[in-house]
Amino acid sequence: DAGVIQSPRHEVTEMGQEVTLRCKPISGHDYLFWYRQTMMRGLELLIYFNNNVPIDDSGMPEDRFSAKMPNASFSTLKIQPSEPRDSAVYFCASSPDSSGSYEQYFGPGTRLTVT
Amino acid sequence: AQSVTQPDIHITVSEGASLELRCNYSYGATPYLFWYVQSPGQGLQLLLKYFSGDTLVQGIKGFEAEFKRSQSSFNLRKPSVHWSDAAEYFCAVAPYQAGTALIFGKGTTLSVSS
Repeated sequence: DAGVIQSPRHEVTEMGQEVTLRCKPISGHDYLFWYRQTMMRGLELLIYFNNNVPIDDSGMPEDRFSAKMPNASFSTLKIQPSEPRDSAVYFCASSPDSSGSYEQYFGPGTRLTVT
Repeated sequence: AQSVTQPDIHITVSEGASLELRCNYSYGATPYLFWYVQSPGQGLQLLLKYFSGDTLVQGIKGFEAEFKRSQSSFNLRKPSVHWSDAAEYFCAVAPYQAGTALIFGKGTTLSVSS
């Protein structure tokens, strides 16, 4: 298995631009998580899905952030408009459902820089 | 609210020396506990996990962790550190059942000196 795939790995954009981050979870995993990592706040959960349905989006910073999961093999995190304070590493993780492992498998992350 | 505290931001250990990274959690019941490692530029990899049973759990790469309910701790240990162990280590708590969010500590950066 290729693991969790994220694209792009690096993104540099100007303030005000729209940014779309992409994630392909591990096949067969029913949970998908989006995290943000910064030096100041560490790892924060933004949103997670179960069977493509958003379960908890309380970590989404504000309306500029949105996430979708149109099918079991793809999810996007969109920031519109982007701001410099959105600069961070964004991780996607997936997890199997009730398999007993409770393990989240992380992708390599997308490093976002907003100038 | 549930929280995870890793009191040490940065630790330096000599190669071959033993290692202990501290983790304390705040939660009413016994949560599911995890240790992850993050190498530079990489995602997080699970080292080990505790759900129930034996309070000493073994993980990958020679790591182990001990759950102590009385101290609300889940410290990570390794008897002999290798230079390749230099990374950032995260303790995490899953206060709910399978598949729901993890709460991460702020992480401890491990440096290994020769």
